[in-house]
Amino acid sequence: RKEVEQDPGPFNVPEGATVAFNCTYSNSASQSFFWYRQDCRKEPKLLMSVYSSGNEDGRFTAQLNRASQYISLLIRDSKLSDSATYLCVVNKGSARQLTFGSGTQLTVLP
Amino acid sequence: NAGVTQTPKFRVLKTGQSMTLLCAQDMNHEYMYWYRQDPGMGLRLIHYSVGEGTTAKGEVPDGYNVSRLKKQNFLLGLESAAPSQTSVYFCASSVLSLRFYNEQFFGPGTRLTVL
Repeated sequence: RKEVEQDPGPFNVPEGATVAFNCTYSNSASQSFFWYRQDCRKEPKLLMSVYSSGNEDGRFTAQLNRASQYISLLIRDSKLSDSATYLCVVNKGSARQLTFGSGTQLTVLP
Repeated sequence: NAGVTQTPKFRVLKTGQSMTLLCAQDMNHEYMYWYRQDPGMGLRLIHYSVGEGTTAKGEVPDGYNVSRLKKQNFLLGLESAAPSQTSVYFCASSVLSLRFYNEQFFGPGTRLTVL
């Protein structure tokens, strides 16, 4: 089983749609959780950290369920510029390392 | 402030050749990392460093060596390149933190093809 699993997609949605991505992780000792965004042939960039109480940044909402070892990302009112691959990222237990999911590809259509 | 830079951007090698990838950061970060990214595999950690003069193995270290002689530079070496090392290589850096795992800043990547 992969340490971090994501639905690879692709998700093709119209502009203005709401889309949700899910991610599960296997290491119950993980303490830090993130969503990164990666544009085609570019480097990953931090989109947002994920906190236990859930957090929101504009149109983006992240949720964490430690009991189920599940992380989600909700994007509201999708824009063309949201088209990218979204990477679920979890720290590797107590080690100073991050484990990246293989990503979920999103295409927002006009 | 250039952030994290990588050289070269592209390289084609023949099997058995050697090369060094250079990563440089100007953010005074303690931690530096080398990843490779292959289709459908996500980013996998090759080696990392928690400070000048220190390095540690990541998830896929075989066939690679690293050095961190200066705080701002992290070098990745391939001694004898193999076709399985064809990949996109990303360098990243982050600040020192004893408790939280801070954002990693990535370089633009090096696209390596081994024939």
